[in-house]
Amino acid sequence: DTVLTQSPATLSLSPGERATLSCRASQLVSTYLAWYQQKPGQAPRLLIYDASNRATGIPARFSGSGSGTDFTLTIGSLEPEDFAVYYCQQRDNWPYTFGQGTKLEIK
Amino acid sequence: QVQLQESGPGLVKPSETLSLTCTVSGGSISNYFWTWNRQSPGKGLEWIGYVHHSGSTNYNPSLKSRVSISLDTSKSQFSLKLSSVTAADTAVYYCARDRDHYDSSSGLYYYYGMDVWGQGTTVTVSS
Repeated sequence: DTVLTQSPATLSLSPGERATLSCRASQLVSTYLAWYQQKPGQAPRLLIYDASNRATGIPARFSGSGSGTDFTLTIGSLEPEDFAVYYCQQRDNWPYTFGQGTKLEIK
Repeated sequence: QVQLQESGPGLVKPSETLSLTCTVSGGSISNYFWTWNRQSPGKGLEWIGYVHHSGSTNYNPSLKSRVSISLDTSKSQFSLKLSSVTAADTAVYYCARDRDHYDSSSGLYYYYGMDVWGQGTTVTVSS
């Protein structure tokens, strides 16, 4: 299976700061990677698809980059509602897999 | 807009079959992959499998011998069956819509992500 390793496990930042989350794949996944945000008691919400495209309705402060095995989700200036858990997911190699998540918490 | 809603028993006995249904409302079944995922504290998010609108299926090898996903286009529903359940199958189960696209003229493939999710349903395996 393609293992997606997300780092850091926990990121402590303040509103207004910039957040950089990493996702590294154990094998090539081209750009077939998505990012999701999940808040407690809710389903995951699609943020980024195809590594760098924002999903419908996602604010411009969210951006994705990368290809191959190294990917990054950047949140330009944190809003209070951005504190949540973020997952990456690959859809190149079967079985499709998710990372273990990065928890973004308020400092 | 499109909405998904999971339904089914919240408690299943060990060795029995877990059965869940996802109802699609507000949109078409066509041109999508309809997926089941689950989330447990011990294993995080796990892709169970999908049924394509054409009827083709694909399952996670870790569950392949026990899982079946089917589609009922007349009811706009798709279903999950997981047999011989154990406590390890206790999780929140989510249905979701997934999409990709192959452009034959350019030879490029695009992945659009799982853009619509159900709210999730908790299934506990216990006697």
